[in-house]
Amino acid sequence: KNQVEQSPQSLIILEGKNCTLQCNYTVSPFSNLRWYKQDTGRGPVSLTIMTFSENTKSNGRYTATLDADTKQSSLHITASQLSDSASYICVVINTGGFKTIFGAGTRLFVKA
Amino acid sequence: DVKVTQSSRYLVKRTGEKVFLECVQDMDHENMFWYRQDPGLGLRLIYFSYDVKMKEKGDIPEGYSVSREKKERFSLILESASTNQTSMYLCASSPIYRKSSEQYFGPGTRLTVT
Repeated sequence: KNQVEQSPQSLIILEGKNCTLQCNYTVSPFSNLRWYKQDTGRGPVSLTIMTFSENTKSNGRYTATLDADTKQSSLHITASQLSDSASYICVVINTGGFKTIFGAGTRLFVKA
Repeated sequence: DVKVTQSSRYLVKRTGEKVFLECVQDMDHENMFWYRQDPGLGLRLIYFSYDVKMKEKGDIPEGYSVSREKKERFSLILESASTNQTSMYLCASSPIYRKSSEQYFGPGTRLTVT
């Protein structure tokens, strides 16, 4: 069964600190993996996309890693800011079935 | 910039009412999608469309229908709203035929059915 699991469900950190969010998937065959940021009351916005041959991709203070062998991805946020408070959703695309599978998201709270 | 707009941010309807949710995109995208988002479940695909007048069922189509009469507009219809359809509804579009393309999301409509 194609699944995407994210951890933790929620996370509280202090402004300026770093954090890492995890994504494990069982989707096969794998096409690509995306991380989206969703601010409260808004639609998700894409942060990064990686294919199976890429193992790291950065977008400013956001760095995503991918291990296609263990089927794990992480999103690392450096020097967090209050505006990073949001849900972060891991999305995996299944090539064979043209299917997009969404994780339930990690809710990040950044406190001053 | 891609812009996907949804007709309402918040909507309150009564059980049994017919509900229309409208979505418009301005980037000439072929694909359009309707999702619902519930806490702890992630986004679940209701219906998608890859061309005008074309539609395909997603993972949870029961209780919903869709209409795509123009390329830029994709409507979600709840024929007879029920309380278990209270949710956040997100519309998305993507530029090419394959569903694996990046999807651009609208701001969402929070629907409450009482």
